[in-house]
Amino acid sequence: DAMVIQNPRYQVTQFGKPVTLSCSQTLNHNVMYWYQQKSSQAPKLLFHYYDKDFNNEADTPDNFQSRRPNTSFCFLDIRSPGLGDAAMYLCATSRDASREQYFGPGTRLTVT
Amino acid sequence: AQSVTQLGSHVSVSEGALVLLRCNYSSSVPPYLFWYVQYPNQGLQLLLKYTSAATLVKGINGFEAEFKKSETSFHLTKPSAHMSDAAEYFCAVTKAAGNKLTFGGGTRVLVKP
Repeated sequence: DAMVIQNPRYQVTQFGKPVTLSCSQTLNHNVMYWYQQKSSQAPKLLFHYYDKDFNNEADTPDNFQSRRPNTSFCFLDIRSPGLGDAAMYLCATSRDASREQYFGPGTRLTVT
Repeated sequence: AQSVTQLGSHVSVSEGALVLLRCNYSSSVPPYLFWYVQYPNQGLQLLLKYTSAATLVKGINGFEAEFKKSETSFHLTKPSAHMSDAAEYFCAVTKAAGNKLTFGGGTRVLVKP
């Protein structure tokens, strides 16, 4: 089945230690998104790639970076995680014309 | 700017009873509207979408939603709640010319036996 895959599902990192979260998709969608979701809140868009074009949200901290080496893969890098960055990180994809987004299962990040 | 309001952050229903989750949107242009469900420690799963075709939209798991332009609403219903419907539900909107979703605050559904 075509899907959005996120690895790992659970990630523990230390305060200030860089961490990378991974997302891959077999849907061949041209748009990929990264969201941060804190407990009992709606997902908050961090940035998205439209094909190779990177689009950062205005309020996304510089601490968060992303890479998309090819259509299938997208990475979220947190350069110096703080305690406030502990959250669920969701990857999503969409095909431009269809609008709806397909979400991966998420990576729950814990910062110790 | 567009926004989405979900009335009630928590809804409790008895098994077999009607589920009604309210969503109102504000948009300066005709929107695309979505309902997503999120189970604990999972991603969001698309329940249904409105894209300016039929105003009554049927989705998965027995859910449906009706787009009412005059009320700027897109309420989600299910005639008979099942225990497996316990989850968080998000209403979301995007403009026809864009991709970015604007989410409502979410409604957590508790189903009582």
